[in-house]
Amino acid sequence: GESVGLHLPTLSVQEGDNSIINCAYSNSASDYFIWYKQESGKGPQFIIDIRSNMDKRQGQRVTVLLNKTVKHLSLQIAATQPGDSAVYFCAENLKTSYDKVIFGPGTSLSVIP
Amino acid sequence: KAGVTQTPRYLIKTRGQQVTLSCSPISGHRSVSWYQQTPGQGLQFLFEYFSETQRNKGNFPGRFSGRQFSNSRSEMNVSTLELGDSALYLCASSLVGGLNQPQHFGDGTRLSIL
Repeated sequence: GESVGLHLPTLSVQEGDNSIINCAYSNSASDYFIWYKQESGKGPQFIIDIRSNMDKRQGQRVTVLLNKTVKHLSLQIAATQPGDSAVYFCAENLKTSYDKVIFGPGTSLSVIP
Repeated sequence: KAGVTQTPRYLIKTRGQQVTLSCSPISGHRSVSWYQQTPGQGLQFLFEYFSETQRNKGNFPGRFSGRQFSNSRSEMNVSTLELGDSALYLCASSLVGGLNQPQHFGDGTRLSIL
């Protein structure tokens, strides 16, 4: 079936360390990928995106890597801060007769001060 | 600039009833999409509206429907409510139609079915 899955449901990191959150997707037809951060009681917040014609994209303290060969997506957060504690979702845009976005199950990131 | 506004924030209904949720997008945004979030199924895409037309849709039954008005505000309706419809319903907006762009989410409507 169609799915986007995360390898690690929970991740704890020390403040100041780098975090890596991984995501596997199963649809070669997906052309757009995005990472969202969701804090408790709030809606998801856009972090960074990448299109299928790219392998890497960098933002402020965040980097997204796309490996189309093995259908793998990762989010790297540099110098993780307590404010980064949240649930992180990857999502893919699958183009069929309709476009639809498919989300991964989410990874809970906890930053230890 | 105000963000995406969803009303109400909380709602309690009983099985068999119907419910309407409202979403006001960011000013200038013309696309509105809806999502369901549950602990068991996670985040799932319902549908997207652009220029008052449903443009894209997910795999939900016909009990779930929506519409968009000329001012881009959107409503989602769920008929014949079931216990499994208890969820956080999220609305998101974007400048133009299509899901291959960042979506700006509201904080959701928490729907509980008794």
